[in-house]
Amino acid sequence: AQSVTQLDSHVSVSEGTPVLLRCNYSSSYSPSLFWYVQHPNKGLQLLLKYTSAATLVKGINGFEAEFKKSETSFHLTKPSAHMSDAAEYFCVVSREYGNKLVFGAGTILRVKS
Amino acid sequence: GAVVSQHPSWVICKSGTSVKIECRSLDFQATTMFWYRQFPKQSLMLMATSNEGSKATYEQGVEKDKFLINHASLTLSTLTVTSAHPEDSSFYICSARDLQGLFGYTFGSGTRLTVV
Repeated sequence: AQSVTQLDSHVSVSEGTPVLLRCNYSSSYSPSLFWYVQHPNKGLQLLLKYTSAATLVKGINGFEAEFKKSETSFHLTKPSAHMSDAAEYFCVVSREYGNKLVFGAGTILRVKS
Repeated sequence: GAVVSQHPSWVICKSGTSVKIECRSLDFQATTMFWYRQFPKQSLMLMATSNEGSKATYEQGVEKDKFLINHASLTLSTLTVTSAHPEDSSFYICSARDLQGLFGYTFGSGTRLTVV
């Protein structure tokens, strides 16, 4: 079975400082991993996805994530936070393409001016 | 890019009535659609998976007679909450994927259901 653990329920950073949202996964198979962002009362937008190609994945809005099999991690980073980045972020795993997605509990990112 | 339109964005209904939520893929054929429920300050919980032309597969604990899912065409899936009660109040989100996987999983904008 697949599972995802987002290590922080809330992260607060100052505008212009780096962002790190942590995610560990568990999977019996080679996983596909995703990061989604959700603004209040909105649907989900895909930031980036890993599907067994390059381990460093670049996404939209300056976000990137690195797949580390030895650490079973897929942390999301951004060099410089912007106020518009304030939202909830979900780390998601799928066993193989087409299977259902398993969501982490989410991390709320707060960006202080 | 791929777009999934979900309607309505919010709805208020009286207890005992039924509510239908629509999810449409606008520029691709959605062979599979997923319906999620999200409680306040919680993650998304998968309710059911539907393939076009087939009966939906419900997750454990989800009442299929209460949450009716129809996926009659490659661009439309509906979720009907029957005999709604206040505990059904929640945020419902659909997601669609195409057969070839060209567009990945695309999410609708969600529906806020309030049952009074």
